[in-house]
Amino acid sequence: AQSVTQLDSHVSVSEGTPVLLRCNYSSSYSPSLFWYVQHPNKGLQLLLKYTSAATLVKGINGFEAEFKKSETSFHLTKPSAHMSDAAEYFCVVSDRVKIIFGKGTRLHILP
Amino acid sequence: DGGITQSPKYLFRKEGQNVTLSCEQNLNHDAMYWYRQDPGQGLRLIYYSQIVNDFQKGDIAEGYSVSREKKESFPLTVTSAQKNPTAFYLCASSIETSGGHNEQFFGPGTRLTVL
Repeated sequence: AQSVTQLDSHVSVSEGTPVLLRCNYSSSYSPSLFWYVQHPNKGLQLLLKYTSAATLVKGINGFEAEFKKSETSFHLTKPSAHMSDAAEYFCVVSDRVKIIFGKGTRLHILP
Repeated sequence: DGGITQSPKYLFRKEGQNVTLSCEQNLNHDAMYWYRQDPGQGLRLIYYSQIVNDFQKGDIAEGYSVSREKKESFPLTVTSAQKNPTAFYLCASSIETSGGHNEQFFGPGTRLTVL
């Protein structure tokens, strides 16, 4: 069975410091993994995706994530946070049958 | 411009009334989905459709109904049987990525408030 766990419901960082949003998954098959971002009262926008190619995936707005099979993780990182990064982030695992969303991590950026 | 549109953005209804939320896509995607989003609960799947004239219940289908008469359209009706309908509703469509996995594209959402 598939599952996805976002380890922090809220993360606060200062502007200009690194961002780390943690995601662990379980899947019986080789999954695809995605990170989406949602700004208030908006739809979800794809940040990046892993689909069994390179394990280090680069996305939009300077975000990247590394697929680590041994740790069943797909953590999202950014070297330097910007005020516009304040939003909710969702980790998603997908195989041929089902798509599972994490409960989300709200990222707060402190000035 | 290709994409998914949902209308209206905000919707208010009185308790006991049925209401239909619109979702249209021009991406030529076969599969479409409806999710409900409540604070702190992520997205929960209501219904999905993998092909025209066919749809399946998701995890929280009670009190909702859908139709899929056209590839481009997947309207969701929130019936009076839904006990707590106030929420943010998101429509999505999907395309298979390499390897046969689904990448989803989302509409802007409709915020439904039942008074």
